[in-house]
Amino acid sequence: DTEVTQTPKHLVMGMTNKKSLKCEQHMGHRAMYWYKQKAKKPPELMFVYSYEKLSINESVPSRFSPECPNSSLLNLHLHALQPEDSALYLCASSRKDRGRGAEAFFGQGTRLTVV
Amino acid sequence: AQKVTQAQTEISVVEKEDVTLDCVYETRDTTYYLFWYKQPPSGELVFLIRRNSFDEQNEISGRYSWNFQKSTSSFNFTITASQVVDSAVYFCALSDPSNTGNQFYFGTGTSLTVIP
Repeated sequence: DTEVTQTPKHLVMGMTNKKSLKCEQHMGHRAMYWYKQKAKKPPELMFVYSYEKLSINESVPSRFSPECPNSSLLNLHLHALQPEDSALYLCASSRKDRGRGAEAFFGQGTRLTVV
Repeated sequence: AQKVTQAQTEISVVEKEDVTLDCVYETRDTTYYLFWYKQPPSGELVFLIRRNSFDEQNEISGRYSWNFQKSTSSFNFTITASQVVDSAVYFCALSDPSNTGNQFYFGTGTSLTVIP
């Protein structure tokens, strides 16, 4: 099973709303990631969690707040977003025991529209 | 600095033609990892291959093959006898082993359209 599950698949939210994106994997991976992807662009790394601890934050605005409650779950809490935050948000996971070169497995993403 | 260049933005081929997607990378590391991912319209990035810098053997998997040449810093991807289902955006990526996490440096992607 190489599945990363993301919910919801689509989300429309207002600029004053608070919402959360969820990601789940059961592959025993101990590294989990959030990426943001705008149309016709490559994915951009937002956050990396390693063994449930935040290890990389790519200077993401505080209106995006990640959380890793356990080794299988990753959340991204959204608050006071701007229309330019509209994008595809991808979650990924990878093994840690193959060193830093392990391949990442991605979910199908959440298509977020901020109105 | 790490960088991945995919010079081909869009490619169109007729079904059953062969097509090669180019990838050129830059890194100062001696140990690094290269990847290819496929992104169909559904959005999910599908892992295709991983190659470390010490393994220059070319690889074939069905209609897919990869040519890794350290001398030219290239990691090209060939699809033989293309099919409509191959239509997608393909990303080449480099993994930086010096970070605490697996940070991937993605190329800008090549959009492949296979015309029936």
